[in-house]
Formats: sequence, structure tokens, C-alpha cells
Amino acid sequence: DAKTTQPNSMESNEEEPVHLPCNHSTISGTDYIHWYRQLPSQGPEYVIHGLTSNVNNRMASLAIAEDRKSSTLILHRATLRDAAVYYCILRNLNAGNMLTFGGGTRLMVKP
Amino acid sequence: DTAVSQTPKYLVTQMGNDKSIKCEQNLGHDTMYWYKQDSKKFLKIMFSYNNKELIINETVPNRFSPKSPDKAHLNLHINSLELGDSAVYFCASSRRPRSEQYFGPGTRLTVT
Repeated sequence: DAKTTQPNSMESNEEEPVHLPCNHSTISGTDYIHWYRQLPSQGPEYVIHGLTSNVNNRMASLAIAEDRKSSTLILHRATLRDAAVYYCILRNLNAGNMLTFGGGTRLMVKP
Repeated sequence: DTAVSQTPKYLVTQMGNDKSIKCEQNLGHDTMYWYKQDSKKFLKIMFSYNNKELIINETVPNRFSPKSPDKAHLNLHINSLELGDSAVYFCASSRRPRSEQYFGPGTRLTVT
């Protein structure tokens, strides 16, 4: 899987929007962009994924740059429960089943 | 209702012992996985198992072996435990290969 680069940590205030960036300059045309998060002392949790178009679901929005070399996970109103490590992962359509996790971004939410 | 469950939640054992961690999913998924999260919090895939096809991460020692009695279960057996095996082990499942994965709560293994 191609490599992604994320900031080590970010801070946000409760009830404000959060934009978590991810760079993936070596992305290929068949790479999907997946986001997972891991809350403290829990297993990772699927958040969202996309290929080219922006995506929305009940948890978050995913904004994908036109050249696909970067993407941004958007939490519209951060809550204390959103404090977690957020992982941006590329998954190739034609590759194996396995997810390759990087270091992720630790999001801290201040009340 | 727990989608992916693991037992035990904590496991403390001595070097050289053999132990197993159980994983069950009630989602009707076809593919199951095992991950290891070390003390530095890096998550690494160990195995992927789909319809009796096992894919092994080449870095995993052969002391580790997954066993699947049926589609809903993928247990992890570890022989001759070493100190470096201490970690949190996560089981996961997905409907199909490459679809989103659902993770269990983890098993914290401590080898003394």
C-alpha cells in the first residue's frame, strides 16, 4: 500500500469543526482512501472511505483533493468522545485484504 | 450485541508457555484478521483468513498460528511465548476482502 503522512497530533475545542489532513502524494488510480479511528483502550473503528468524490456519512465527511494527493477528514462538531487516534490508510483495489496502519493523528478535544 | 468479541481480555503468562486467544464474530462476515499493537501503539496486520485461504504477514514468527473452526471464529495460538510477544492483539472481520473492517476490543497479553 502507498504511504500516507499525517500530523502526529492536533487539538480542537469541543463543538467546533475539526479538519484532519492526510497527504498521499504517491497514490495510484486504484487506491481507495480509508479512515479509521481508535478511541482509548478500544479497537480501531471504521470511519469513512472514498475514491475520488467527497463522501459524507453520519460520523464524518471526507474531502478529497482534485489530484487525489491529499484528503481531509472533517468532524463537523467535535465532542469529547471524538478524542482518538485517526488513521488515514490507502487500500489498493487489486491488492490484498490487509490494512497497513501508520502512526495516525492523535486528536485531543478540549471542553 | 457484541459484533466482534475476544476472550480473554487480559492474559498474563510466563515465557515458554503456549496460549490461545479466541475471537468470534456474529456479523456473518467472510473474512477475519489478527492484528498486533505493540507498546509504541503501532498496529500491524498478522493474518488475514477468508474462506479457508490464509494470508500471512511474512514478518510473523511461525510460533503464531491462526485456527478457524468455522466461519465465525478465528483463534490465535501462540507457542513458546517470548517477552517480545507482549502486546495488545486485535481480531477483526469484514464482509468481504477489502471491505471495511470491524475490530474486537482487544486482548492484552503480558509475558513475564
